[in-house]
Amino acid sequence: EPEVTQTPSHQVTQMGQEVILRCVPISNHLYFYWYRQILGQKVEFLVSFYNNEISEKSEIFDDQFSVERPDGSNFTLKIRSTKLEDSAMYFCASGGQGGMNTEAFFGQGTRLTVV
Amino acid sequence: AQSVTQLGSHVSVSEGALVLLRCNYSSSVPPYLFWYVQYPNQGLQLLLKYTTGATLVKGINGFEAEFKKSETSFHLTKPSAHMSDAAEYFCAVTVYSGAGSYQLTFGKGTKLSVIP
Repeated sequence: EPEVTQTPSHQVTQMGQEVILRCVPISNHLYFYWYRQILGQKVEFLVSFYNNEISEKSEIFDDQFSVERPDGSNFTLKIRSTKLEDSAMYFCASGGQGGMNTEAFFGQGTRLTVV
Repeated sequence: AQSVTQLGSHVSVSEGALVLLRCNYSSSVPPYLFWYVQYPNQGLQLLLKYTTGATLVKGINGFEAEFKKSETSFHLTKPSAHMSDAAEYFCAVTVYSGAGSYQLTFGKGTKLSVIP
């Protein structure tokens, strides 16, 4: 069964460092997303990506964040200069052609710890 | 903007008992509604969704939910709880907001414990 794969499963980084979280979406999907879940809080939308550009982003997704689909298979989230409050579980998701009627498949997440 | 409220951050039921997890939403336009389950150290798995049509939707693992527009609710139920149902459950809502956008708004989650 196709699945969304995220690496690494856990990343520890020092405050101020850049991190790149990687995702391999399901191969024939067209829509890609990043969500995050701070420990004990709800899952929050960060950004959606379609047709090689950001289609929507939340207030959380400020200039420190960027996304890229560099090679047609990977979908990455970069945090340029990490802050303590960036510590969270980050989920990648992808969806097929059906838009709202299509299920978004989530990866298992990358737990980012900023120290 | 849409929002989701899940009543009860933690629900405990006995094995074999009815499971009822409550979800209320607010949306200015007809919403699409979802329930996701998260097992420990795993990602989010879709249990069921309501988009259009029949308001009672059935999902995996014996769960079902009913969309009640008049009550702005989408409660999740299962007639008989199993130990394997212990997990965290998230209700989510989305409305169409443009090309390819799938901005899910999640509730805070309800952790379900099943007592043997």
